[in-house]
Amino acid sequence: GDSVTQMEGPVTLSEEAFLTINCTYTATGYPSLFWYVQYPGEGLQLLLKATKADDKGSNKGFEATYRKETTSFHLEKGSVQVSDSAVYFCALSAGSTLTFGKGTMLLVSP
Amino acid sequence: EAQVTQNPRYLITVTGKKLTVTCSQNMNHEYMSWYRQDPGLGLRQIYYSMNVEVTDKGDVPEGYKVSRKEKRNFPLILESPSPNQTSLYFCASGERDSYEQYFGPGTRLTVT
Repeated sequence: GDSVTQMEGPVTLSEEAFLTINCTYTATGYPSLFWYVQYPGEGLQLLLKATKADDKGSNKGFEATYRKETTSFHLEKGSVQVSDSAVYFCALSAGSTLTFGKGTMLLVSP
Repeated sequence: EAQVTQNPRYLITVTGKKLTVTCSQNMNHEYMSWYRQDPGLGLRQIYYSMNVEVTDKGDVPEGYKVSRKEKRNFPLILESPSPNQTSLYFCASGERDSYEQYFGPGTRLTVT
């Protein structure tokens, strides 16, 4: 079945550091890929998406590129802020449902 | 404001006492879904619905029921809750063909 694997957290960074959160997937067909973010005490929000190979999704300074050859969708940001502290979920959709990774907690200190 | 609402936000109950968690969306979405979130396990889908009167099991449906009598509502029913259903529950909705989902704020359920 479909699955998503994310790097385990927490990821701890200082403000203005570079962020990478790795995500790889297994799926039949050609899934759409997503990154969702969950701020403390809130539900998940869509951060960015990519629907086909080589697409780059971007939002709020975050970006991720759909790499079919490596089945990856790594999340990056050039300079993180304290307000980026949250849990980040990679997800795929290849049919009628979303399959999520286990989430990666990001902690950014001033 | 476009949103998904859930009630209650917090609930503490005892084993075996039937409960319902409501979910409502005002975006006219066809697709609705329930997830539970547990530490170390991420989000797991319980049930989903592609349209009114159409529901399907997700990855962890045991012990739960749902109904979709109206497009905007998708209640989650625990007929006989057990402690292993203590979790954080999220309802979500989306347009059928896009698979982007909009999440509610969550319901934290504790079963003692």
